[in-house]
Amino acid sequence: DGGITQSPKYLFRKEGQNVTLSCEQNLNHDAMYWYRQDPGQGLRLIYYSQIVNDFQKGDIAEGYSVSREKKESFPLTVTSAQKNPTAFYLCASSRQNTEAFFGQGTRLTVV
Amino acid sequence: KQEVTQIPAALSVPEGENLVLNCSFTDSAIYNLQWFRQDPGKGLTSLLLIQSSQREQTSGRLNASLDKSSGRSTLYIAASQPGDSATYLCAVRRDFGNEKLTFGTGTRLTIIP
Repeated sequence: DGGITQSPKYLFRKEGQNVTLSCEQNLNHDAMYWYRQDPGQGLRLIYYSQIVNDFQKGDIAEGYSVSREKKESFPLTVTSAQKNPTAFYLCASSRQNTEAFFGQGTRLTVV
Repeated sequence: KQEVTQIPAALSVPEGENLVLNCSFTDSAIYNLQWFRQDPGKGLTSLLLIQSSQREQTSGRLNASLDKSSGRSTLYIAASQPGDSATYLCAVRRDFGNEKLTFGTGTRLTIIP
């Protein structure tokens, strides 16, 4: 099946730990995105990538890092510098300037 | 900076009624606008994409309209069903070559059986 796969579905992070969220797509899309969703707020863009080996910061990039070594993959690392990481993280992809498709999300909780 | 607003934040209607959801944006220089639905704890499902050159798009019981000059889009849902209960979000893409999508905060829709 074509689509976007995020893993894991649930993730728990201890204070001071880095964790990596996986996002894989088999839609042959050039652009990929990471969004954060908090209760009562809209989706906020963390990072996006329009092409392999290139990515741009979104509105809330501090405390996060990404890589785009393959077209299919766009992992997000939540570093210890992110002081409030508990949120729902959503990955998306699209062909250039067309319809965006989303994965099912990863819920990250700090314990 | 583009701002996208969706009012009301929540809406309840009886089953079978037609309804309209609203989306407003401050910068009319958009390339396209996309409507999504989100079920609790799930990702976003794309409903309709409307290009800036289009006035409306239809898919089944859904119809999205776009008025760039006034910075507004509406999502019309005909003959609502309990399965339509979800949060509906709109997002705008600013211009060709700019992949960034800016989202509204959504309208939580409840269809009462």
